[in-house]
Amino acid sequence: DAKTTQPTSMDCAEGRAANLPCNHSTISGNEYVYWYRQIHSQGPQYIIHGLKNNETNEMASLIITEDRKSSTLILPHATLRDTAVYYCIVRVSGNTPLVFGKGTRLSVIA
Amino acid sequence: ETGVTQSPTHLIKTRGQQVTLRCSSQSGHNTVSWYQQALGQGPQFIFQYYREEENGRGNFPPRFSGLQFPNYSSELNVNALELDDSALYLCASSSAPGTAMNTEAFFGQGTRLTVV
Repeated sequence: DAKTTQPTSMDCAEGRAANLPCNHSTISGNEYVYWYRQIHSQGPQYIIHGLKNNETNEMASLIITEDRKSSTLILPHATLRDTAVYYCIVRVSGNTPLVFGKGTRLSVIA
Repeated sequence: ETGVTQSPTHLIKTRGQQVTLRCSSQSGHNTVSWYQQALGQGPQFIFQYYREEENGRGNFPPRFSGLQFPNYSSELNVNALELDDSALYLCASSSAPGTAMNTEAFFGQGTRLTVV
């Protein structure tokens, strides 16, 4: 079973920041937080991951709380193409299986 | 694009039949994982192959089996198809276990299997 809890759906206005929360209160010290997204009818796409420090790449920023029990994925300027299901996953290492929950369906609205 | 290719893209089979799905991994990746995604659900892990051997399996019956070839491509075989096997089957490739920490998995576009 997935070790994360995410809201079922969220809306975001185009051009605004999208903040997607994730709770992982039972995360272990050696588990990383990964984010993937899945645009309709495509395979999941890797976004970002982190252990305890905040991370940023060209797609998004990942903010992890100090106690590591929750995190937020930030898309700084959402576009219509960011409409997708976003999955938050905790994972020990890079080649352990990904355990997906149901994710958050983000709708970016013009 | 991720460099992971799956074939075929769509397939219709009859209950009781057998099916083989194929996956070519991204260049440099020698670990392949397979996932099943039912409509409205997140992907569920089926199994993983590394160096031509299965090295992890999810909660799927033995009629789900696989192979990995020396070029790291892989097949997923499902015998005695059931209606509930209708799903999107996803293949993901990544680098070898233990050689690099926290390497992300790259997914193909999937094969949509319909069992009638």
